[in-house]
Formats: sequence, C-alpha cells, structure tokens
Amino acid sequence: EAQVTQNPRYLITVTGKKLTVTCSQNMNHEYMSWYRQDPGLGLRQIYYSMNVEVTDKGDVPEGYKVSRKEKRNFPLILESPSPNQTSLYFCASSDRGRGQFFGPGTRLTVL
Amino acid sequence: QQQVKQSPQSLIVQKGGIPIINCAYENTAFDYFPWYQQFPGKGPALLIAIRPDVSEKKEGRFTISFNKSAKQFSLHIMDSQPGDSATYFCAASSAETSGSRLTFGEGTQLTVNP
Repeated sequence: EAQVTQNPRYLITVTGKKLTVTCSQNMNHEYMSWYRQDPGLGLRQIYYSMNVEVTDKGDVPEGYKVSRKEKRNFPLILESPSPNQTSLYFCASSDRGRGQFFGPGTRLTVL
Repeated sequence: QQQVKQSPQSLIVQKGGIPIINCAYENTAFDYFPWYQQFPGKGPALLIAIRPDVSEKKEGRFTISFNKSAKQFSLHIMDSQPGDSATYFCAASSAETSGSRLTFGEGTQLTVNP
C-alpha cells in the first residue's frame, strides 16, 4: 500500500528536550516536505526537499532541522523544543509537478 | 505574510446545496493550484488541481473555477452530501519548485446538514 508513515503519532515532551519525528514514504517520490497545522493558520511549510541531500527552508523553519540522507526518509528534528512548537505536524511526499501525499500527522505537545 | 487568502472560514449548507470556497493569491509566479480535503484525525488528501492555462476543471462533483486576471480561484461542490463535511484547503505553487513548495490558505470548515 502506498503511504507516508510518521512516528510517533502522539508525543508529549518538555521544553528543551531534543526530539525527532520520523517520516518515511514507499512511493519512490522525489520530493518530501514537513508542515505544521495550527487553528486559523492552515498548513505552513517548515522545510522541503527536492532531492537527496537537498533541503530548503519553507515559511516557518526557525527551531527545526531536517536531513535527507535517503530518498525515502525525511526526519524532522527539534533540537530544543519550546511551547510555541506545540502543533500538529504533517510529512508529505510527491513527484515533480504532482500533488502532495500526506502522512497521518504527529500531534506534539511541548510543556 | 499569507500569500493565499481563503474564505469563508466556515460554511454550513443543506444536503444538495452548492458550497463555494474562494481563494485569492498574490504571487504571479504561482502556476499550480491544488485543493485538499481533510477529515478529522487524518492528513489532507489531494482533491483536485488546476493550472492557469484553463479556466475550469471538473472532477465528479468538484469543480475549480480559475480567474487568472483577478488572481482568484474557487472550489464548487455540486449536490453536496453529509460525507463532504470536512476542512478544505486551497494551495498554490510555482514552476520553480515543481510543486514541492506549497503555500496553503487558512482552510474552510464545511458542514453539510442532512
């Protein structure tokens, strides 16, 4: 089954404790992205990657890191999480010129 | 700065009605305009998309109307059903990033009453 998987699906952590949210796709897609979704703000792109070892900042990259060492994986790293990073996070993948395929989401709470 | 403005924020219609959701953009480099549908607890799913070389695109009960000169596009849902109740997002992307760099609208929560 074609899918984007994210882990964990739910995470409660404390300020400053480094965390990683993993994302993996099995569709051999070239592009991958991370978004955060907040009420009234829609989805905002954090980082995107158009190829292995190529990443670019989206609209809200501050406080986040990403890496794309393999085509299928695109982890999101929060080195020192803060409460304003409490949000619903989505990973997505796509091919050139096609719509993005979203994962199920990760709900993060930073206390 | 939000480059894609979406309205209304919420919309309630009766079954069989035709809800219309509108979006306006600023960046004239945008050339790909998808709509996504999101159900509670799920990730957004691509519904329908249009490029500016056409003014309208239909897929089943869903239609996108596109006005390039006004920099506006809208989603119409014909014969709406309670199962269409969801949050809808418009988005835009430019050729430079081949669809990888998406800017979303704020979302519209649609409720279709039986």
